[in-house]
Amino acid sequence: GQNIDQPTEMTATEGAIVQINCTYQTSGFNGLFWYQQHAGEAPTFLSYNVLDGLEEKGRFSSFLSRSKGYSYLLLKELQMKDSASYLCAVPLSGNTPLVFGKGTRLSVIA
Amino acid sequence: DTGVSQDPRHKITKRGQNVTFRCDPISEHNRLYWYRQTLGQGPEFLTYFQNEAQLEKSRLLSDRFSAERPKGSFSTLEIQRTEQGDSAMYLCASSTAGQGSGELFFGEGSRLTVL
Repeated sequence: GQNIDQPTEMTATEGAIVQINCTYQTSGFNGLFWYQQHAGEAPTFLSYNVLDGLEEKGRFSSFLSRSKGYSYLLLKELQMKDSASYLCAVPLSGNTPLVFGKGTRLSVIA
Repeated sequence: DTGVSQDPRHKITKRGQNVTFRCDPISEHNRLYWYRQTLGQGPEFLTYFQNEAQLEKSRLLSDRFSAERPKGSFSTLEIQRTEQGDSAMYLCASSTAGQGSGELFFGEGSRLTVL
């Protein structure tokens, strides 16, 4: 099965950089996803990593190390609107469906 | 297409009653998923369909939970004899099978409160 671990809460300052870590254990690896979820809203897709290394997409980057079972989401130039939960997810089997971690609630303060 | 839609958005019911939620996926998506989310937790996978076939249902929480997708388009999730512990947000998502990233598109959810 899947075991996904990420910090429960983080706080960071507007304009700063924050790194949200995720460790996982799967019976067969088929990629790792990050989703963003604002309070009271549906999760939305941020990134997908299937190969080791860093994937950059604007202010957001995601890193994967398959050998270490480790990923992180890097948010740069933090804005107040980045306050949300960030969910790490891996597929149950094949490509889908996804099993999610408990999420990391990020608070961006002035 | 306006995305995944769910109905109702909110449902308040008394313990012991049955409730049914409906999900309309993005029209070209052949996969449909149901998740449950409680406060402070990530979405918990329940079941999913490819077209009308239910491919995984072992994670449904109990035999009070059932889901259908009779024509491979919309889906319903029914909870019979509701309990207070069933209070949660029920999320539906859809995707295309065989897509490289397997990205899920979520609806806004149906919030259930059991009194």
